Amino acid sequence: SAVISQKPSRDICQRGTSLTIQCQVDSQVTMMFWYRQQPGQSLTLIATANQGSEATYESGFVIDKFPISRPNLTFSTLTVSNMSPEDSSIYLCSVGPGLAEETQYFGPGTRLLVL
Amino acid sequence: GENVGLHLPTLSVQEGDNSIINCAYSNSASDYFIWYKQESGKGPQFIIDIRSNMDKRQGQRVTVLLNKTVKHLSLQIAATQPGDSAVYFCAEGPGGYNKLIFGAGTRLAVHP
Repeated sequence: SAVISQKPSRDICQRGTSLTIQCQVDSQVTMMFWYRQQPGQSLTLIATANQGSEATYESGFVIDKFPISRPNLTFSTLTVSNMSPEDSSIYLCSVGPGLAEETQYFGPGTRLLVL
Repeated sequence: GENVGLHLPTLSVQEGDNSIINCAYSNSASDYFIWYKQESGKGPQFIIDIRSNMDKRQGQRVTVLLNKTVKHLSLQIAATQPGDSAVYFCAEGPGGYNKLIFGAGTRLAVHP
C-alpha cells in the first residue's frame, strides 16, 4: 500500500486564523480525499481532491471554509479557514486506488485544537 | 491520548476468544464494504474489504460477512489478542471504493 504522510501532525491554533495541512504520498494515486473526525466521532468526507481542477465538496462543506489544492498526483493540501473551536478535529487524508489495490488508505491524521 | 471513540459502544472480550463486530449499513445500492481499525493517535488502518457479489471473505485471522438482505456487515476476529484493542469502523461505498460512508464505530477492548 502507499505510504502517506501528513504535516503538521498536530497543532494548536487561535480562533480566526487559518491552517494548511499537507498530504504527501510516496506514489502516484488517482484519488485523494479529505475527511474530518470530530472528537469521539466517526469519519466524515469533506471533499475529493481533483488533480488539476477544483475539489468536489460534500454536503455541508464549502470551498471558502475548506479550500483544497491538488497540484499533482502525489500531493494535496487542505486549509481550514477562519477557525473556531468547533473546527477542533482530526483531519485525515486518504488515497485510492494504488497500482494494485482498489481501496482507500489513510494517512496518520492532523490533530487540530482551536482555542 | 486522544478521545477517538470516547462515546462509542464497547465490545469487551477475553484474550484468545473470537470477536464479532457488527455493522448495519444504510444504502441498498452500496456495492463495496470495508473494515478499518483505528488505534489511538493513528489514522484508520485497512483490515479487509468485500464487494457486493460476495457474502464472505477471509483474511489472516479476520473474516467479513455480508448479508445484503438485511444490510448487515460483520467482522470476525479469531483468537483475539491485546493488540487488536482499537476502534473498528465499517464503511460502505455506494460507488465502489470512492466516497466511503463510515459507520459509528465500535471499541474493542481485549482483556488478558
